[in-house]
Amino acid sequence: AQKVTQAQTEISVVEKEDVTLDCVYETRDTTYYLFWYKQPPSGELVFLIRRNSFDEQNEISGRYSWNFQKSTSSFNFTITASQVVDSAVYFCALSVPQGGSEKLVFGKGTKLTVNP
Amino acid sequence: NAGVMQNPRHLVRRRGQEARLRCSPMKGHSHVYWYRQLPEEGLKFMVYLQKENIIDESGMPKERFSAEFPKEGPSILRIQQVVRGDSAAYFCASSPALGQPSYEQYFGPGTRLTVT
Repeated sequence: AQKVTQAQTEISVVEKEDVTLDCVYETRDTTYYLFWYKQPPSGELVFLIRRNSFDEQNEISGRYSWNFQKSTSSFNFTITASQVVDSAVYFCALSVPQGGSEKLVFGKGTKLTVNP
Repeated sequence: NAGVMQNPRHLVRRRGQEARLRCSPMKGHSHVYWYRQLPEEGLKFMVYLQKENIIDESGMPKERFSAEFPKEGPSILRIQQVVRGDSAAYFCASSPALGQPSYEQYFGPGTRLTVT
C-alpha cells in the first residue's frame, strides 16, 4: 500500500522567510511518481511538479525548489523568500502505475500562511 | 485550449436527493479520475475511467455512488440519496493516455457539494 505523510499541519512565516514543507512517502514499488500541488484559498488545485523515482536530481524553479531523497523516502519542497501570495494549502502526492491506473495518493496537506 | 471543466461549481442538495456532478476533460484526453476532498482532509481517490470503461473503482463507496464516462459527453459522478457526510469538494482530473511523454493529471476547479 502507498502512503504519504505531511507531518506539518500548519506553518506560519513572515514574508521573505524561507520555508520548507516536508513530505515522506511509503511504497514498495521501484517505479513511482511524486507530485506537489498548491491549493490557494480559491480552492482549485495547481500542479507544481512531477518527479519520477529514477530521477533524484533536485529541481529549482524560480523561488521553488524540491529535494528528492530516496534514502529517506522524502520529497521536500522549499519556498525561498516567501510572499503573501504563497499562502495556500500544499499537497504532496504519490502515484504508482498499477493495472493501467495512476491514481494519486495524497498527503493531508500543509497549510502555509505567509504574513506581511 | 480549455482546461478541465466541472459543473456545477456549487451544488446544494437536501438529504435523500440525488447529486449529479459533471466533468469534461481537456481536449484530447480520454482518461478521467475522480477525487473527493472532505473538510480539513486531503484528496482521496474514488474512481478512474476511460471512455465507456471503469478501470479502477477501488475508492468508491459501495453504495449510492456510481460513475460513468460515455462515448459522447462528460463524465458523470452520481450520488443517490445524499447524506450530510457526502458534503465535500469533488475534483476530477483528466489525463492523456498512459505512456505519453508529459503524462500527468490536470485538475478541474471542483464541485462543492453541500447537503442540508
